[in-house]
Amino acid sequence: EDKVVQSPLSLVVHEGDTVTLNCSYEVTNFRSLLWYKQEKKAPTFLFMLTSSGIEKKSGRLSSILDKKELSSILNITATQTGDSAIYLCAAFTGGGNKLTFGTGTQLKVEL
Amino acid sequence: GAGVSQSPSNKVTEKGKDVELRCDPISGHTALYWYRQSLGQGLEFLIYFQGNSAPDKSGLPSDRFSAERTGGSVSTLTIQRTQQEDSAVYLCASSSPTGRSPSTDTQYFGPGTRLTVL
Repeated sequence: EDKVVQSPLSLVVHEGDTVTLNCSYEVTNFRSLLWYKQEKKAPTFLFMLTSSGIEKKSGRLSSILDKKELSSILNITATQTGDSAIYLCAAFTGGGNKLTFGTGTQLKVEL
Repeated sequence: GAGVSQSPSNKVTEKGKDVELRCDPISGHTALYWYRQSLGQGLEFLIYFQGNSAPDKSGLPSDRFSAERTGGSVSTLTIQRTQQEDSAVYLCASSSPTGRSPSTDTQYFGPGTRLTVL
């Protein structure tokens, strides 16, 4: 059974801190890995990673995939209260039509 | 439209009743996905449409769940004889095929329908 595991489950930090969120996957026929930010109901897309070792950056967020370790990390530097959300990691598997999600990491950034 | 829309945004129903959830994908997006998110759980894949056909129904949890898509656009997810464990947020996503593998297509999510079964 395909499985995506995220850690930590929850995290509380202060504004300005740097956080690293972890995602590991055990799936058949891995295609790509995605990160989403979920604030209310709809997840919003952050990154799609297909190649190992190539960092993707968007502002204060960055992410990298390690296919050897079957894992990915999402870094957020200089955190702000607006970064408070659930961060979801998902793996495209099989024929590429199915996304398997982790349970997410709930991040709370306090003043 | 500008994004994926879903209706209703909230639905409260009694156990045993049928419900229909609607998804309007982004115009031109031929791929459409249904997921659900139960309290404390991750997003769970339900079904995937390419055009009007559903090549992958593997996530539908029981035969009480069905989905259809007409005209390559709007999709409805129907849950018959609802049970309390069906309570969840049901999310729809769509993507625009690039001609490569679907795994390279970013999925855009709708706001979801929160279903509560009493």
